[in-house]
Formats: sequence, structure tokens, C-alpha cells
Amino acid sequence: GAVVSQHPSWVICKSGTSVKIECRSLDFQATTMFWYRQFPKQSLMLMATSNEGSKATYEQGVEKDKFLINHASLTLSTLTVTSAHPEDSSFYICSASNSLTYEQYFGPGTRLTVT
Amino acid sequence: GDSVTQMEGPVTLSEEAFLTINCTYTATGYPSLFWYVQYPGEGLQLLLKATKADDKGSNKGFEATYRKETTSFHLEKGSVQVSDSAVYFCALILNTGTASKLTFGTGTRLQVTL
Repeated sequence: GAVVSQHPSWVICKSGTSVKIECRSLDFQATTMFWYRQFPKQSLMLMATSNEGSKATYEQGVEKDKFLINHASLTLSTLTVTSAHPEDSSFYICSASNSLTYEQYFGPGTRLTVT
Repeated sequence: GDSVTQMEGPVTLSEEAFLTINCTYTATGYPSLFWYVQYPGEGLQLLLKATKADDKGSNKGFEATYRKETTSFHLEKGSVQVSDSAVYFCALILNTGTASKLTFGTGTRLQVTL
């Protein structure tokens, strides 16, 4: 149990286009999900906290108009990278917090490459 | 603010060697502590956790003890295997009764050779 999926697992897009990444909790409800970004050989940087039915809370320095987060249901949060540029290339990881136990479970990550 | 400090890597060991990865923390409250492992190209997996002082988390031969007096949560394994090669992250969370964010250390890369 406690599986979190991400889709796609990898994506290549051209500069200026938008990319949507999905994070799903498959066997539990998650009122809160977290989006992280990881650069090569570095730690995870929290980008935003996504709450079902309300606006996401962004960390300082993260552009909310560039990284759009939608958490429309208790099992799905999406991150849309708008007008992507090569510097947005990174590994994006989500985690979902079980609404009952608050245990967090991580997705397998999505590797985004912007050309 | 809250923070986690890990020893820098990479740590290179021969198979069956003893492993220690140091982790210390600072926190305004009383945190729960975690070790996560990340294999190449994958997301994070919870390795073990401890929620209060003197608790020992253990899993797959790895152990870590929550030491409040030294604010530490060092990861140990008696005999590492090549398959343990990965990046290990120490992390803390406050307010475990709610959906709170994790604070991660910088990660320590472990390389185990034959």
C-alpha cells in the first residue's frame, strides 16, 4: 500500500512550451501534497505545498505564475511548468501526505529536459 | 530555522565494511527524524524513522538512534553490500500531527565496491 505515482516519468519539451506533471496517491487520500525539485547531485528543494481545494503555498523564490499547481481532488495534484526554459530542466518529485496518518510517501520523480 | 546537517560524500566502502553516516539537526520544537534512500534515477524511499528521544529506527540492517542530547541521528550498518549504493538523506519534520513539510539534509552518496 501507500503508493504514489507520477506521470510522466520523463519528458522532453521545447523551450517556450508548457508541461504538466501529475502526482497521484493510488491507495490513500492526500489532502496535502508537496512538490520538490532536485538538481543533479543535490538535495531536494521544496517548491510548494499543495492543498486540496485551495491555493498552493509557494516557498520563497519560487515563481507561482511559472509553476502552476492544482490540487483538484484528494488523490491528484498537478504541477504545470509554463513557458519552460532550459534552466527549468530538473528532476521533479512529489510527496503525498496521508490524510489520516500524515505519513508522507514519495513519487518516483519526473525528469524534465527543456531543449 | 530548522535544519539538518549531513556529512559530505561520497563515502566509498568495500563490501562488508561498517557504515556510519553522520546527521545532526537543529529544530525549534521536538521533531521526528527520518532517513530516506534514493537509488539512481528514482524517487525517495523511507528507510527508517524515529519519533522520540532514544527511539531506534531499523530496517534492512540499517539502524539510527534518536539522540536528543547530541541532536543527532547517525545512520549505521554493520556490513554494507554493493546494492546499498545510493544517496541517503536525513530529514526532520515538526508537528507530526499535521501534514507538515520535511526538512532535508544535503544527502550523502554511498558507493560500495567489491
